[in-house]
Amino acid sequence: SQTIHQWPATLVQPVGSPLSLECTVEGTSNPNLYWYRQAAGRGLQLLFYSVGIGQISSEVPQNLSASRPQDRQFILSSKKLLLSDSGFYLCAWSPLAGGGYFGPGTRLLVL
Amino acid sequence: EDKVVQSPLSLVVHEGDTVTLNCSYEVTNFRSLLWYKQEKKAPTFLFMLTSSGIEKKSGRLSSILDKKELFSILNITATQTGDSAIYLCASNAGNNRKLIWGLGTSLAVNP
Repeated sequence: SQTIHQWPATLVQPVGSPLSLECTVEGTSNPNLYWYRQAAGRGLQLLFYSVGIGQISSEVPQNLSASRPQDRQFILSSKKLLLSDSGFYLCAWSPLAGGGYFGPGTRLLVL
Repeated sequence: EDKVVQSPLSLVVHEGDTVTLNCSYEVTNFRSLLWYKQEKKAPTFLFMLTSSGIEKKSGRLSSILDKKELFSILNITATQTGDSAIYLCASNAGNNRKLIWGLGTSLAVNP
């Protein structure tokens, strides 16, 4: 069966510091991978999605970036965090048959 | 522009009531419609619907899709306080199987 891992679970970072959140998927190959941010407990905002290694589509202009160095690895980064980057970050994958499954999420607080 | 619209945005009921949550969609190359329940962490998958008129059921929850009128409903019968959550609807669309999300319906079930 497929599993999706995300870490860390919670992160508190000062403004201006860098960020790296990692997501890995097991038990599947060539998944579509997504990074979402959710603020105020609702409304999933799609940040990036990837259909393959090195292929990243950005949905919203911001100071975040994403990379997919391996088929089952998706990384969300920032060189300098802003206060507005605080939120709940979710990684998800969708199989060819459709549907979508989420990782456990990372709560990021930028102070 | 692809979109998914959920209604109502918020709902408060008493235990034992039946609720119907609505999700309408306008997407290119529709593939499937998904329902999720989100409590305090990552959304958990409930149903995936691909065909019109076929009800999916899990305990007190059921869902159906109407591909002609472009909507889906999620029914919860005999609600319990544990049903309190945000219910999210998403459409899996396009050649890249991108997920497009509604804003969610916040359901509160009072004892």
